[in-house]
Amino acid sequence: DAGITQSPRHKVTETGTPVTLRCHQTENHRYMYWYRQDPGHGLRLIHYSYGVKDTDKGEVSDGYSVSRSKTEDFLLTLESATSSQTSVYFCAASRGVSTGELFFGEGSRLTVL
Amino acid sequence: TQLLEQSPQFLSIQEGENLTVYCNSSSVFSSLQWYRQEPGEGPVLLVTVVTGGEVKKLKRLTFQFGDARKDSSLHITAAQPGDTGLYLCAEGNQAGTALIFGKGTTLSVSS
Repeated sequence: DAGITQSPRHKVTETGTPVTLRCHQTENHRYMYWYRQDPGHGLRLIHYSYGVKDTDKGEVSDGYSVSRSKTEDFLLTLESATSSQTSVYFCAASRGVSTGELFFGEGSRLTVL
Repeated sequence: TQLLEQSPQFLSIQEGENLTVYCNSSSVFSSLQWYRQEPGEGPVLLVTVVTGGEVKKLKRLTFQFGDARKDSSLHITAAQPGDTGLYLCAEGNQAGTALIFGKGTTLSVSS
């Protein structure tokens, strides 16, 4: 257990509303990631962080922003949710290197109506 | 564009059967990771292969890394219902900053 917790685990919201998903880790991992998982697309990288206040875009970053003000917390924000952002979102963290073993949270299922 | 292709996409078998799933890349792997994801949970690492030609065994699971490091396979012997899940392969992106994943193979083993 790498101590990755996500909140909320389930959320239903309406188009145009802001949404923030939180990832909290207790193992002092340096690297943290947000992925989304959709049928037929697998896991796709949204944003990642390589330290406090150090973040970068992944392959599907449009419409998303992230923040990491503390080592243990990595927030994913949808400024104005759209139906295309309905998905299951996974947070992950890596101990040593950026492409090392990933430890995942249990996922946050977001439905945008 | 870096691509990881997994096949087959879906596999439904009976308990006791053997199976093999595949992962292929458009480029040479530096290393490759295999994960298993059970419904409602996040993926969990099964193994990392690094050296071309490498074979690793994890109980009934056998992982092979191609000699040219552009392909890998996962073979399960005598599958059990507990093997049901989504099997994902992953490699580092070209920038070396994160892992990218294949679309996975969904395995269903019925008793």
